[in-house]
Amino acid sequence: EAQVTQNPRYLITVTGKKLTVTCSQNMNHEYMSWYRQDPGLGLRQIYYSMNVEVTDKGDVPEGYKVSRKEKRNFPLILESPSPNQTSLYFCASKRQGPEGSNQPQHFGDGTRLSIL
Amino acid sequence: GQSLEQPSEVTAVEGAIVQINCTYQTSGFYGLSWYQQHDGGAPTFLSYNALDGLEETGRFSSFLSRSDSYGYLLLQELQMKDSASYFCAVRTSPYNNAGNMLTFGGGTRLMVKP
Repeated sequence: EAQVTQNPRYLITVTGKKLTVTCSQNMNHEYMSWYRQDPGLGLRQIYYSMNVEVTDKGDVPEGYKVSRKEKRNFPLILESPSPNQTSLYFCASKRQGPEGSNQPQHFGDGTRLSIL
Repeated sequence: GQSLEQPSEVTAVEGAIVQINCTYQTSGFYGLSWYQQHDGGAPTFLSYNALDGLEETGRFSSFLSRSDSYGYLLLQELQMKDSASYFCAVRTSPYNNAGNMLTFGGGTRLMVKP
């Protein structure tokens, strides 16, 4: 089954304790992205990756890191989490497709982080 | 800057028709998408309009007017399972090798009542 898998689904942790949220896709997609979702703000992009070893900042990258060492994996790292990073996080992937075509994004089931 | 405006909440009854509007102001525009998200779930793709007009997919249709910077999602024959949040999203680059491809609206929570 084609899917984007995030782990963990839920995490409660404390300020300053490093954490990693993993994301893996089995569709051989080139593009992967991380979003955070907060009430009334929709989905805001944190980081994205066009392919292996190619990553770049989205709209709200502060406090986050990513890496793309393999095509299927795109972990999100919070080196020193703070309470304002309490949010619902989604990983997404898509194939690049022919130029000009629209390729929908496929989302994982989300990770709810609470930073105390 | 980029902004997409949607109503925060819409309520309708089972069997009815509902329209969810989206107006946008973005630095680039290359298409409008709609995503559905049930409570606790992941967003899932519904439709995409690159050109003006109506696109129909079963009970759902999506409309775009680029001159008005406006689009809407039309849901017909509403069912209880349609209760969800609906997000419009603008594609801001024409190129598939561009990074930040989508800017999302804040979402519209649709409640379908019996």
